[in-house]
Amino acid sequence: GENVEQHPSTLSVQEGDSAVIKCTYSDSASNYFPWYKQELGKGPQLIIDIRSNVGEKKDQRIAVTLNKTAKHFSLHITETQPEDSAVYFCAALARNDMRFGAGTRLTVKP
Amino acid sequence: ETGVTQTPRHLVMGMTNKKSLKCEQHLGHNAMYWYKQSAKKPLELMFVYSLEERVENNSVPSRFSPECPNSSHLFLHLHTLQPEDSALYLCASSQDADRIGGTIYFGEGSWLTVV
Repeated sequence: GENVEQHPSTLSVQEGDSAVIKCTYSDSASNYFPWYKQELGKGPQLIIDIRSNVGEKKDQRIAVTLNKTAKHFSLHITETQPEDSAVYFCAALARNDMRFGAGTRLTVKP
Repeated sequence: ETGVTQTPRHLVMGMTNKKSLKCEQHLGHNAMYWYKQSAKKPLELMFVYSLEERVENNSVPSRFSPECPNSSHLFLHLHTLQPEDSALYLCASSQDADRIGGTIYFGEGSWLTVV
C-alpha cells in the first residue's frame, strides 16, 4: 500500500521567513495530494490540495509543488505569521486509500 | 464551523464503561469516516461508511463498534477499552461515495482518556 513520509517533524522559523515541508510517497498511482493544518485542540483543516495533472498550485501565501517523477510534493508558506503555527499534515490518495504523513509541527517566532 | 460536529469534545471513561462518540455532518456528503490520532503517529483510518454501508474496517478491535444510521450521522460505540486507546478520535466526511477517500473534511475531534 501507499507509504507517505513527511519531513521535518518540527520546524521553527522567524516571522516573515518562509517555511517548506516535504513529503514523499511510494505508490505511483497516487493522484491527489491534500495538505491539512491542525491547530491546538482542533481537527485538521484542509488548506490546499493538488491533483496529479498539475505541477504547482498557489493560494495567497501558501503553495504546493508536485514532482511526480520523484514522487514528492512540498508545501511552501511565505511571509510566515505567528498564526501559521500549527501541525501540518500531508496526504496522498491512491486506489481509494488516503494515507497521511506523521505531521510537521511548525512554530513561527514573533 | 467545519460542517462536521463531534460530541463530546472530551471524554474520560473507565475500562469497564460503555460510552459513545457522536458525529454529525452538515455538508450533504455521502461518506463518513472515523480516524484515530495518537501522539507522534500518522492518522489511522478506523472505519469508512459510504451511503450508510460500511466499506472498510482496518482491523480495528471489536471493542470499537461503529454505527451509521443515515448519511449525516455516525457513532462510535466504546466498551471495555484499554488505556492505550486514549487518543483523539476524528470524524470526517467526503462528498464522493464512488471514490472513497476524496477531499476529506474533519470535525474537531473527541479527546478520549481511558483510566
